[in-house]
Amino acid sequence: EVQLVESGGGLVQPGGSLRLSCAASGFTFSSYDMHWVRQATGKGLEWVSAIGTAGDTYYPGSVKGRFTISRENAKNSLYLQMNSLRAGDTAVYYCARDYCSSTSCYGMDVWGQGTTVTVSS
Amino acid sequence: EIVLTQSPATLSLSPGERATLSCRASQSVSSYLAWYQQKPGQAPRLLIYDASNRATGIPARFSGSGSGTDFTLTISSLEPEDFAVYYCQQRSNWPRDTFGQGTKLEIK
Repeated sequence: EVQLVESGGGLVQPGGSLRLSCAASGFTFSSYDMHWVRQATGKGLEWVSAIGTAGDTYYPGSVKGRFTISRENAKNSLYLQMNSLRAGDTAVYYCARDYCSSTSCYGMDVWGQGTTVTVSS
Repeated sequence: EIVLTQSPATLSLSPGERATLSCRASQSVSSYLAWYQQKPGQAPRLLIYDASNRATGIPARFSGSGSGTDFTLTISSLEPEDFAVYYCQQRSNWPRDTFGQGTKLEIK
């Protein structure tokens, strides 16, 4: 079964750090681009970061310089290191697999169940 | 940044009716648009990619159309399990995707 399982969420104070993990199974993890997407309670989806199969990384301006995405193919794992956390980072964080061909990427076809990050004093 | 605007914010319909959801982009995204369904407490599910292609396992009652800046998700005859929130996502600036704010499809 193709599956993504996130872990590492929790309560952290403003300015603190947290590392999220996403364990992949049922597919060849190293062959897929991967993303982190977050969703604040009652709000929409926000793309947080992406990593390509070659390890190239991408971020929106809202988290650039604070968040770092990485992958460890030997462990079929994706990570998100989050530093200098703010109240506005409070959300459910999902990891997601990108469905791509050799020429284009179509959509995020596999998602984890999400892990909750709460930034509060 | 490409902004996606979905309308209406809420759509109230009955099972068996036809649903039409709209997504408008602030600039052309060609056909690089996807649609997702999200139910409470669940992760999003990919429905449509490249504006009109159904993802694996998605029923034929779901269809997508459009290109450029205007897109539509149509559910031909609503089933009880279709009541959810729907998001569009542009992929023309991959991987710097953006999502619309969502349309809530509720039972009338």
